[in-house]
Amino acid sequence: DTEVTQTPKHLVMGMTNKKSLKCEQHMGHRAMYWYKQKAKKPPELMFVYSYEKLSINESVPSRFSPECPNSSLLNLHLHALQPEDSALYLCASSQGPAGPLLMLGNQPQHFGDGTRLSIL
Amino acid sequence: QQQVKQSPQSLIVQKGGISIINCAYENTAFDYFPWYQQFPGKGPALLIAIRPDVSEKKEGRFTISFNKSAKQFSLHIMDSQPGDSATYFCAARPRRETSGSRLTFGEGTQLTVNP
Repeated sequence: DTEVTQTPKHLVMGMTNKKSLKCEQHMGHRAMYWYKQKAKKPPELMFVYSYEKLSINESVPSRFSPECPNSSLLNLHLHALQPEDSALYLCASSQGPAGPLLMLGNQPQHFGDGTRLSIL
Repeated sequence: QQQVKQSPQSLIVQKGGISIINCAYENTAFDYFPWYQQFPGKGPALLIAIRPDVSEKKEGRFTISFNKSAKQFSLHIMDSQPGDSATYFCAARPRRETSGSRLTFGEGTQLTVNP
């Protein structure tokens, strides 16, 4: 079992629906990530939150809306998705920047098992 | 400059054999090189990682070899087992990122270990 928990494991939604993906970690990590992974491809970074603030948005369409309510939770709100958005959505966390120089160090990212999203 | 090139795309090895996966990079700002293992239906799991000031790191049957001058690193799986059958991703991250960790992944290698 991973220490990053994602719900739901599977989600099927129509193009007009609104849904949310949830991610939770209790490792005290201060950086959290959303990735999109297509079959037989590596994960693609979508968003990074550092200390609950959005620090990286990899030019993701606005139909994906991230939210970090607190240091343990990360949500991804979905609205008006397209069939090409069908993929495995992965959440990850890492210790995040630390110390006065905000140096990351070699802090690994821990991934959840993802939400398999299908858009009809 | 942000790319990490991984080969081979797929690899078939007999049980007990050595699996070797190679990665190459261009960006000299990379200073952390993890390998991830991903089983079907699961998220990537960190397997082993290395920094460029070390030429080799071994953890059990898994070894990373790192060649800084050639900007190449490789994963060796000794005594490969059918349970090692998975997709393996190499990755790299630049130093001194202050706002989260942007990993650059290789394209992945599908490893099959035959019994």
